[in-house]
Amino acid sequence: DTAVSQTPKYLVTQMGNDKSIKCEQNLGHDTMYWYKQDSKKFLKIMFSYNNKELIINETVPNRFSPKSPDKAHLNLHINSLELGDSAVYFCASSLWAKSEAFFGQGTRLTVV
Amino acid sequence: DQQVKQNSPSLSVQEGRISILNCDYTNSMFDYFLWYKKYPAEGPTFLISISSIKDKNEDGRFTVFLNKSAKHLSLHIVPSQPGDSAVYFCAASAERGSTLGRLYFGRGTQLTVWP
Repeated sequence: DTAVSQTPKYLVTQMGNDKSIKCEQNLGHDTMYWYKQDSKKFLKIMFSYNNKELIINETVPNRFSPKSPDKAHLNLHINSLELGDSAVYFCASSLWAKSEAFFGQGTRLTVV
Repeated sequence: DQQVKQNSPSLSVQEGRISILNCDYTNSMFDYFLWYKKYPAEGPTFLISISSIKDKNEDGRFTVFLNKSAKHLSLHIVPSQPGDSAVYFCAASAERGSTLGRLYFGRGTQLTVWP
């Protein structure tokens, strides 16, 4: 029983394409996050949602749009992909405003 | 600007010995600190945490020490086992503040435990 699952695990796509990454958690958490790990291995928060409401929106290009249809799901849609978007994207969830976050296995996005 | 720093990118330790991983932070608003462990092609896994009201927290072979005045924390693993070989991330948050669960991560330290 995977607690936080994201799909796909690997995604290779061409510049200019639009792609989505899906995330689901079955922990009953009410807060979900997207983190990005870049080529220098830094893990940085992108977005946070609580009960489908956007809470944190870091300085992220507006080509990135999160969508939370319900509190168990937080999807990430990326428009007009660029080479610099290549990274590993992690979905995570936690109880409201609690620090112990549980992470998915990551999606390695490669833009060619 | 990195508010959480792990200055050692790698650490190599013999099995059975102690592993000490270090972490420094700059933001005095941080009041909660965590260590995550990450294997290749997997997501970070929560390992242990400590609140700023404590200076030590222990869980089995893992102990985290916090020195608030020095803005420094460390993770001790005793005894180290080959299965502990992974990347260890230090993270911090300001639970009492407005960051609402946002974690600030260090860059990670690759621990290798050899037989």
